Amino acid sequence: EAQVTQNPRYLITVTGKKLTVTCSQNMNHEYMSWYRQDPGLGLRQIYYSMNVEVTDKGDVPEGYKVSRKEKRNFPLILESPSPNQTSLYFCASSLKGFYGQYGYTFGSGTRLTVV
Amino acid sequence: SQELEQSPQSLIVQEGKNLTINCTSSKTLYGLYWYKQKYGEGLIFLMMLQKGGEEKSHEKITAKLDEKKQQSSLHITASQPSHAGIYLCGAGRSTGNQFYFGTGTSLTVIP
Repeated sequence: EAQVTQNPRYLITVTGKKLTVTCSQNMNHEYMSWYRQDPGLGLRQIYYSMNVEVTDKGDVPEGYKVSRKEKRNFPLILESPSPNQTSLYFCASSLKGFYGQYGYTFGSGTRLTVV
Repeated sequence: SQELEQSPQSLIVQEGKNLTINCTSSKTLYGLYWYKQKYGEGLIFLMMLQKGGEEKSHEKITAKLDEKKQQSSLHITASQPSHAGIYLCGAGRSTGNQFYFGTGTSLTVIP
């Protein structure tokens, strides 16, 4: 089944403890992206990647890191999480960028709480 | 200010009623995407509009992009409880490869 798999679904952690949220897609998509969703602020793009070894900042990259060493994987790293990073996170992928007929395929989300 | 403004923010309708959600941009859009999200879950791609005046339909959902490519509407005919969720419009920026979303419209359909 074509899908984007995020892990974990739920995570509670303490301030300052490094964590990684994994994202993997099995559709050979070139474009991958991370979003966070917060009440009243909607979905905001954190980072995106056009292809392997090509990553770029979205609207809210502070406090996050990403890497794209393989086409299928795009992990989101929080080196020193803080309570304001408590949010619902989504990974998404698309065959190409955004000037064609392709929509995103989204993962099921990771609900992160930082205490 | 939001680059994509959606209205209304929330909508409660009786089953069987028609409804419309709007998405407005201050800039010309180079592709406008509609997504649906069930509460707390990932988004599902509905359809994409690219040309001014374009209209697409899928089952009971019709989306249109105006001639100026700055406003899109999503119309649901004879709503059902299965239509409930959050509807979001999204677009790519004219420069770079960022993709951004409107704030969403929450739809509740009362049986």
